[in-house]
Formats: sequence, structure tokens, C-alpha cells
Amino acid sequence: QVQLVESGGGLVKPGGSLRLSCAASKFTFSDYYMTWIRQAPGKGLEWVSYISSNGRTMYYADSVKGRFTVSRDNAKNSLYLQMNSLRAEDTAVYYCARIPRSGGSCDYWGQGSQVTVSS
Amino acid sequence: QSALTQHASVSGSPGQSITISCTGTSSDVGGYNYVSWYQQHPGKAPKLMIYDVNNRPSGVSTRFSGSKSGNTASLTISGLQAEDEADYYCSSYTSSNTLVFGTGTKVTVL
Repeated sequence: QVQLVESGGGLVKPGGSLRLSCAASKFTFSDYYMTWIRQAPGKGLEWVSYISSNGRTMYYADSVKGRFTVSRDNAKNSLYLQMNSLRAEDTAVYYCARIPRSGGSCDYWGQGSQVTVSS
Repeated sequence: QSALTQHASVSGSPGQSITISCTGTSSDVGGYNYVSWYQQHPGKAPKLMIYDVNNRPSGVSTRFSGSKSGNTASLTISGLQAEDEADYYCSSYTSSNTLVFGTGTKVTVL
């Protein structure tokens, strides 16, 4: 069964940085686009970023562009999200998910990692 | 990147059918057959229910179906069951090569 496990979340002060990781297993990681999606407390889902299977193409939501960077290491079956200049409004559960085909549908999701930005 | 518009809540009795709508623009929902629907129970990760407008992943009940007309996509749940009570989100690919989610609909089984 496909597994995605996020880690790296925690409490950080405004303006600080955090790096999330997503460890993938039970599928050929290098064949798939991957994405990050977040959910603020009591709010809906918000798409954050996705990266192509070879890591050469990345797209970002306007709300994080210039502050967040998505990357991957196919040799380590891992996806990353470097988050800089964090703001209170970045507080959310961050999910990584697999994109199996064109169009962006996400068929497997991790359990989520909590990021809290507060002084 | 404005969120797609969904009604905040929909309710129905067991056995009934309900439809959740998702309205976007010609730059997202209307422009591509790339609408997905997700079910999310409290404290859980979302689950893919429909992809590419009207396709069900393996293992998803046939009671769930999707459609699209113009800039509005719809998810229909037939034979409503207690376990269907959850939040539902639509999502679409956009002309900016990004993804956008809907505002979410809370389904209540009366």
C-alpha cells in the first residue's frame, strides 16, 4: 500500500523558517508528480505547490510564491517543502500527496504535519 | 487564484440523493475536464472520490458520481448513508498550470 509520511512540522516564530519532508514508499516515487496542500485550523483545503516527477518543473500558489520552495530527491524517495519568512497565516496542517495523472487529482495523501507560526 | 465556490452545507435523509455544486470560471472548471472531488472526515486526510470530472477510483462506491456543465461541476451522492457525513471539496486544474480547491461543503445526514 502506498505510504506518504510527513515530518518536520512544529512551532516557529513569525519570519522564521521550517523544512517539511515527505517520505514515500511502496511505489516508484520518481514516476510521479507530487504536491503539497495545506489546511488552516477550521478552514478548507488550499493548494500550495507541486513538482514534476524529475524535479525540473515547480508551480506555487500566489500566497507562498517567493517564500516557499518545493524540491525532491528521487534517490531518497523524498519530497520537501522549504518554508521561509513564515507568517501567522501559514499556520496549517500540511499534507503531501501523489498526483497519478495529468489534471492534478491526488490519489494518496499523507497524514499531515502541523505547522504553527506564532510568537 | 480565487477558490472555487461551493455551498457551505447540504443535508439529506438516509436513502436520498444529494448534489453538491462547484462553480469556477472558464480558466479552471470550464476550461478543462480536470475536476476532482475529495471527502474529508474530521481529523482525517482527504480521500479522492472522483477524478477527471466523472471517474471513480478503484474502491469508491458507485453511489458517488460526477458531472460538469459549463463552469459548474457537480458531485451526486445517491442512497445517502450515515458514513457519507463529511466535508467535500472540489478541485480543478487551471490555465496557470496551478490547482485550486473549492470552499468546501459540509454534508449532514439527517
